[in-house]
Amino acid sequence: GAGVSQSPSNKVTEKGKDVELRCDPISGHTALYWYRQSLGQGLEFLIYFQGNSAPDKSGLPSDRFSAERTGGSVSTLTIQRTQQEDSAVYLCASSLNRNTGELFFGEGSRLTVL
Amino acid sequence: GENVEQHPSTLSVQEGDSAVIKCTYSDSASNYFPWYKQELGKGPQLIIDIRSNVGEKKDQRIAVTLNKTAKHFSLHITETQPEDSAVYFCAASSGAGSYQLTFGKGTKLSVIP
Repeated sequence: GAGVSQSPSNKVTEKGKDVELRCDPISGHTALYWYRQSLGQGLEFLIYFQGNSAPDKSGLPSDRFSAERTGGSVSTLTIQRTQQEDSAVYLCASSLNRNTGELFFGEGSRLTVL
Repeated sequence: GENVEQHPSTLSVQEGDSAVIKCTYSDSASNYFPWYKQELGKGPQLIIDIRSNVGEKKDQRIAVTLNKTAKHFSLHITETQPEDSAVYFCAASSGAGSYQLTFGKGTKLSVIP
């Protein structure tokens, strides 16, 4: 596709359920990032993938959060046993490589935990 | 780690006036400073960036200035238009590019026609 694609665009779930959020980066981009955007807050780094290297997971807020990137392309962010404080917009971005200046963001997945 | 402070959090200007958003950073090793614009319901989009070997950069109505000594950088928008209304984020990185970017909390700019 022409840009970064994320799905679902909106997800409402009950506390305690697991959710999966999907990201399709721009073809050929080797770097992929997940960020969390809470109301009135900036962009909080979660995890970074670069090619086949081990991901940088230093931003994941708890062990309920995990992510994988299969075949160096599509990525899935999984949140287990969701809590109300997990409610936020989850943004995925890709860049040509880790040294490229521009991040291309998707439109985000808005997660609401009731 | 890096800490980026952004001010103001909200800004209203009349159409045609200038808008200035300021950011400070804490890590003197930071050398890459992008600005992103986020329209409602969209993901952020890069509008301009500057590297530490440059003090100012312009692109039409948008300019960014960097003061490395004081560790602050600013976004200047001249001749504002209603379509400039959005949330603007500054960021800083000590890497060569987008890796390890730290974002500010954003400025909601409203341009009043």
